[in-house]
Amino acid sequence: GDSVTQMEGPVTLSEEAFLTINCTYTATGYPSLFWYVQYPGEGLQLLLKATKADDKGSNKGFEATYRKETTSFHLEKGSVQVSDSAVYFCALITDSWGKLQFGAGTQVVVTP
Amino acid sequence: EAGVAQSPRYKIIEKRQSVAFWCNPISGHATLYWYQQILGQGPKLLIQFQNNGVVDDSQLPKDRFSAERLKGVDSTLKIQPAKLEDSAVYLCASSFNQQPNTEAFFGQGTRLTVV
Repeated sequence: GDSVTQMEGPVTLSEEAFLTINCTYTATGYPSLFWYVQYPGEGLQLLLKATKADDKGSNKGFEATYRKETTSFHLEKGSVQVSDSAVYFCALITDSWGKLQFGAGTQVVVTP
Repeated sequence: EAGVAQSPRYKIIEKRQSVAFWCNPISGHATLYWYQQILGQGPKLLIQFQNNGVVDDSQLPKDRFSAERLKGVDSTLKIQPAKLEDSAVYLCASSFNQQPNTEAFFGQGTRLTVV
C-alpha cells in the first residue's frame, strides 16, 4: 500500500543552521505531496505542497521538490529560527477523495 | 475566517466508558475528516464525510467507534466502550471539497486518555 517514511527526530539545531528533513514515499500512480507543520499547542497547518514531478513547493523560507525518480520530497530551510521549532509531517494523497496519508513526523528543536 | 473548532480539548475516562467528541468545520466546507493520532505516529484517517454522506470509513473500528455528520455541518465521533489503546489525539479537519489540491484545515484536536 501507499506509505510515507520520514527521518526520525528529534533534530536539534542552532539558530541560523541549515535544516533538511528527509521524506520518501511509496505510492501507486502519481501522488500529490505535502508538508504539514504542528507548532506547540496548535493544530496541523499546511506548510507547502507539490502536485506533480519536479514541482517545487515553498513557504516561509521552506522548500521541497517533488522528485519522482527518487520518490522523495525532502524539506529544506537555509537558516532556521527558534520559531521554527515544531513537528513536521510529510504526507501524500493518491486517491480522488483527498485522503491524506502521513509519515510519523519529525520533531525539530532550534536553540538560540 | 474562523477555523475548525473541536471540543473538548482534553478528556480522561476509564476503560469501558463512553466518550464523544464534537467538531464544527469551517463554514461552507463540504468535506470533513476525523483522524486519530497516537503518540509518536502520524495522523491516521478514521472516517471521511462528503456533506452528510460517508466516503471512507474503512479504518474505523466499527464495533466501538461511530460518527455522524448531521445536516452536513457539525460532526460527532463516539467511542463506546473505550479501550486503553484508544488513548490518542483525535483531529478533525475540513476542506472546501475533496479534490487533492484543496487544502485541509485542522482543528487543535481532542487529547483522550483512557485509564
